Amino acid sequence: NAGVTQTPKFQVLKTGQSMTLQCAQDMNHEYMSWYRQDPGMGLRLIHYSVGAGITDQGEVPNGYNVSRSTTEDFPLRLLSAAPSQTSVYFCASRQQGSNQPQHFGDGTRLSIL
Amino acid sequence: GQQVMQIPQYQHVQEGEDFTTYCNSSTTLSNIQWYKQRPGGHPVFLIQLVKSGEVKKQKRLTFQFGEAKKNSSLHITATQTTDVGTYFCATARQLTFGSGTQLTVLP
Repeated sequence: NAGVTQTPKFQVLKTGQSMTLQCAQDMNHEYMSWYRQDPGMGLRLIHYSVGAGITDQGEVPNGYNVSRSTTEDFPLRLLSAAPSQTSVYFCASRQQGSNQPQHFGDGTRLSIL
Repeated sequence: GQQVMQIPQYQHVQEGEDFTTYCNSSTTLSNIQWYKQRPGGHPVFLIQLVKSGEVKKQKRLTFQFGEAKKNSSLHITATQTTDVGTYFCATARQLTFGSGTQLTVLP
């Protein structure tokens, strides 16, 4: 079982470039989420999805887009990268139900120059 | 959205000392989860608390949920170097995490 797989693990972008962070899970989980982690600020929710075709904004959605065309995949798109988006990005998934634990990918370390 | 405040932000302890991190919410929580993130790693689920006043133990770790379900704590007895990392509380329903407590254990 691969669990939650994120690609790439590292990425350096120039300001203004766009890119997509990939996230895939093989556990048939309905819920998927994207977080960013900055020093001293914990994990902040960017976007989440409760099922295929359904997405919603989290705490810090500006500058990011998501889509959920399949249960397995939940890509995160940076439309025009800015230095403020330099961060570590984590994707997570869980089964439906608020008492279910989240399973995290290994993260993508993104630097915007 | 529902927020949880976590203190302290950092804690340095000597190996063998105890450690406690606290998680507080201004609203009643349906449940609370605790995660551990090792340096350079990803958060890993530790435990979930659901009932008012609930206490759960995992070896040297003791987790408590307040009677009013507005606060929670994680206590580690006799810390070891393997306990190093950042501990987060999280509200499961809102997918919201506290800011975390970074634990350093000095040998």
